[in-house]
Amino acid sequence: TQLLEQSPQFLSIQEGENLTVYCNSSSVFSSLQWYRQEPGEGPVLLVTVVTGGEVKKLKRLTFQFGDARKDSSLHITAAQTGDTGLYLCAGASGNTGKLIFGQGTTLQVKP
Amino acid sequence: NAGVMQNPRHLVRRRGQEARLRCSPVKGHSHVYWYRQLPEEGLKFMVYLQKENIIDESGMPKERFSAEFPKEGPSILRIQQVVRGDSAAYFCASSPQRDRGAREQYFGPGTRLTVT
Repeated sequence: TQLLEQSPQFLSIQEGENLTVYCNSSSVFSSLQWYRQEPGEGPVLLVTVVTGGEVKKLKRLTFQFGDARKDSSLHITAAQTGDTGLYLCAGASGNTGKLIFGQGTTLQVKP
Repeated sequence: NAGVMQNPRHLVRRRGQEARLRCSPVKGHSHVYWYRQLPEEGLKFMVYLQKENIIDESGMPKERFSAEFPKEGPSILRIQQVVRGDSAAYFCASSPQRDRGAREQYFGPGTRLTVT
């Protein structure tokens, strides 16, 4: 059974601080996707990483896919209160592309 | 949510009734995935469908649950004889599958099912 361990589960920081969220697995994924989910809504796709070692930047967010395509990280620079939310990583599995989700990281950015 | 539509957004059913959840994928997407999010748990894959075909139903309970994606119309997730443990948020996601490597999925807003 493929699993994605996401850490930390909860993170409370002050505005302006940096943070990193990790997603780790013993399995190889064909791609890895990061989502953000607001209460009562569906996950919204932030980025997809496909190639081992790939780094993608989305404004203050930096996403990295591990060389072996088993792990990924999300780094936020100078966090803002608007970054508050639930962040999910999900690995695409097998030939069908079904997603295996991590448990999520609840981020709270305080003013 | 990139155009994926789900309805109803909220559904209340009594134990033993049937629940029908509908999903219209992004226009042009022919691949649909259903996921379930139980209270205090993460999202779990249920079923993957292409037009008129079930490709992977390994995450779907063997009894009472069924899914379809007809040639015309939305994808339907059907739960017969609902029980309290079926209370959850059900999400549909669609994918263009143009690039087998990327496999990007776009999620709908979900249907919150409450079984009383």
